[in-house]
Amino acid sequence: DQQVKQNSPSLSVQEGRISILNCDYTNSMFDYFLWYKKYPAEGPTFLISISSIKDKNEDGRFTVFLNKSAKHLSLHIVPSQPGDSAVYFCAASEYGDMRFGAGTRLTVKP
Amino acid sequence: DSGVTQTPKHLITATGQRVTLRCSPRSGDLSVYWYQQSLDQGLQFLIQYYNGEERAKGNILERFSAQQFPDLHSELNLSSLELGDSALYFCASSDSENQPQHFGDGTRLSIL
Repeated sequence: DQQVKQNSPSLSVQEGRISILNCDYTNSMFDYFLWYKKYPAEGPTFLISISSIKDKNEDGRFTVFLNKSAKHLSLHIVPSQPGDSAVYFCAASEYGDMRFGAGTRLTVKP
Repeated sequence: DSGVTQTPKHLITATGQRVTLRCSPRSGDLSVYWYQQSLDQGLQFLIQYYNGEERAKGNILERFSAQQFPDLHSELNLSSLELGDSALYFCASSDSENQPQHFGDGTRLSIL
């Protein structure tokens, strides 16, 4: 039951460039989408979210895009910084029943 | 600091045993969620409680159970432990559904 998929296990980007992390989902009933960042030995930390009535939400260097027709979610980080190196999880929720992707490990090289 | 406290941080036990993991949610949060993260896998939703009542169930085994107490802290009980139960167990809390969940740092369970 993989309702939320992150097909890229890893991504490497040069400092200052754009990082684009992708996520696909299958359940059209999901109405709330989130991105979390996770450092080793810590719990996931909430980064940014978007409800299904929007197609874009921006917070500083982080922008989340939602394409409902394609059931696709993406996170853009501009500009990328070495401190952004972490595992990023996308999540989708239907009335609190939240499903997570397997994560993408982002490495930002100085 | 997310405000969510999980104890213990590490737990080592043997197959067939029973353990209890504890979670104190962020102040004011009524919902508590439990997740399991096995090696190199994503977060698997186990169960959600809201103000003391079970709200949603995910891929939780029958050997596992949970409860939320009147003071809103929650416990996850794992029994008849198997080697495959070795994982990180995370607790998260939120003030309502469809709001960001705030995670504790997890309990690492190792079954020998």
